[in-house]
Amino acid sequence: GQNIDQPTEMTATEGAIVQINCTYQTSGFNGLFWYQQHAGEAPTFLSYNVLDGLEEKGRFSSFLSRSKGYSYLLLKELQMKDSASYLCAVIKAAGNKLTFGGGTRVLVKP
Amino acid sequence: EADIYQTPRYLVIGTGKKITLECSQTMGHDKMYWYQQDPGMELHLIHYSYGVNSTEKGDLSSESTVSRIRTEHFPLTLESARPSHTSQYLCASRPGTAIGEQYFGPGTRLTVT
Repeated sequence: GQNIDQPTEMTATEGAIVQINCTYQTSGFNGLFWYQQHAGEAPTFLSYNVLDGLEEKGRFSSFLSRSKGYSYLLLKELQMKDSASYLCAVIKAAGNKLTFGGGTRVLVKP
Repeated sequence: EADIYQTPRYLVIGTGKKITLECSQTMGHDKMYWYQQDPGMELHLIHYSYGVNSTEKGDLSSESTVSRIRTEHFPLTLESARPSHTSQYLCASRPGTAIGEQYFGPGTRLTVT
């Protein structure tokens, strides 16, 4: 099976930086996704990492270390609209389905 | 923008009724999924499909059933709705390649009274 762990909740101040960690245990790893989900809405894709290293996309960056089974999502210059849940998901080499973590609820305060 | 649609968006229905939640995508994706999610809780995979005439049960046991007669269409059916079925149901699709991005539909919020 796959175990995916991420913190339940984080709070940060507008304009600050927040780092959301995700650890996973899986065999046949073939990539890790990050999704954003606002309350009552569907998840939307943020990033995909399959190789070690940092992927930067505007204010959001995602990092992967396959040897450590570890990823993080970095949100910079936080805005109020970034208040949402952030979901880490792992896909195995068979590639048929994503397994999602429980999500991290980020609250951005003024 | 993802071309994946779900209807109805909201449904309130009485116990014992049969319901079908519709999901369609126009991206030609082979893989389609149904998730169940309660407010503030995690996503649970209840069904998925690799392609036409292929369906599998997901990680969370569900009394619902699915069918995949056409690539673009993946409906979910509850033969007899119960209050315990009250939840949000999210449909998703991915291309056939292993690393394709997964797109979600807007969801159906189901309330069974």
